[in-house]
Parts: sequence; C-alpha cells; structure tokens
Amino acid sequence: KNQVEQSPQSLIILEGKNCTLQCNYTVSPFSNLRWYKQDTGRGPVSLTIMTFSENTKSNGRYTATLDADTKQSSLHITASQLSDSASYICVVSVENNRLAFGKGNQVVVIP
Amino acid sequence: DAGVTQSPTHLIKTRGQQVTLRCSPKSGHDTVSWYQQALGQGPQFIFQYYEEEERQRGNFPDRFSGHQYPNYSSELNVNALLLGDSALYLCASTRLGSDNEQFFGPGTRLTVL
Repeated sequence: KNQVEQSPQSLIILEGKNCTLQCNYTVSPFSNLRWYKQDTGRGPVSLTIMTFSENTKSNGRYTATLDADTKQSSLHITASQLSDSASYICVVSVENNRLAFGKGNQVVVIP
Repeated sequence: DAGVTQSPTHLIKTRGQQVTLRCSPKSGHDTVSWYQQALGQGPQFIFQYYEEEERQRGNFPDRFSGHQYPNYSSELNVNALLLGDSALYLCASTRLGSDNEQFFGPGTRLTVL
C-alpha cells in the first residue's frame, strides 16, 4: 500500500471555479509535507511546504492545509485558470532525507 | 542560477542497450537524487548521491547505477534496457542539512523500443 494516497485521481473543472485536492499519508516520522505542481513532461515545482506544526500555507491562489493528527492534507485552488492544468503531487518528507510521493491529482481546467 | 539541469531532454534506445543520463544540481547543492516516473504515476526513488557515494537506494535492480563527480554533478546509468524502463527520469538536488527541499530538473524522457 502506498504511503501517500491522493484523491481524486483526476478531475475536470471549469475556468474560474475552485477545487480541493486531498492527500492522506501513513508515513512516520514526519518532517514536512509539500505540494508540487507538475506540468506534463516537466519536473515538479514546489508550491507549498508545511511542517507538522503548521496548519495552513498559501501561495497565491493555492492554499494548503495540514492536519498532523489525522495525517491529512488538502490543496485548494481558487479561481482556477487554464494554466492550472497539471498534476499536483503530495510529497511527505521522512527521515534520512527521503521523500514519499503520492501518485498525483490530475487537474484539467476547461474554458 | 540555472537551477537543476538535465541532459538529454529526450532519448530513444532499443532493448538491451545502455544509457547514461546527466544532471547538474542547483548552485550550492551537494546532494543529488534520481527518480523514475512512469506515465500517470508519482516519482519512484532510485538512489541518492552525496560526497560522491551512493547513500540510499530504492527498490531498483543493479542495472541502475550512478556516479557523482567532485563538482556534485551526477550520472544515472541503466544497462540492459527493458521496455519497462521507458519513463521520465527526474533528478533532484538539495543541500544536506537544509529543510530537505528538493529542487527538480526538467527530466529526461527515455523511450525504449
């Protein structure tokens, strides 16, 4: 079983609408949690990073939340744009500088 | 600062061949990790290099090997290529002792025919 589970696997949203992506993780101990945006065929780019003591972190129209007790995180995209079409990957940093990756949420924004 | 760079961008090989992928880390970074990302999947950790030595390894066969040079750049070598090795290969760099933030390169798309 993957240590980082993301849902939904994919979704289609209308331009201008909001959406929320979910990430559940089981890894322990936990150092930090990041959300990356990956355009097709490109490398992932970091959007937000949160330690276990942080509940929320914003980066423009992207807002990430973290509940370390339930081991859940979410990424909220506000007023989506066509350029938001990408895969959003939840990444949990564990000990020894290792990362546990989710499979990603594939978001398609349509006009 | 050019960030993490990788070469080549795309590569096509046939089964049984060998391939070498290259990565230059972000300025100031000393640790390089390699990942394999199949289509529609998250990246899978291959191995990590620090001080020119392999420090950690994921669940990949010995056909996958690497090297790190004194200037921190790194190579990923794959021998006896299989069709299943077709993937996007990502290099990520970080500075050991930092907050673990890894910066990713654009990747090398390997296609094995």
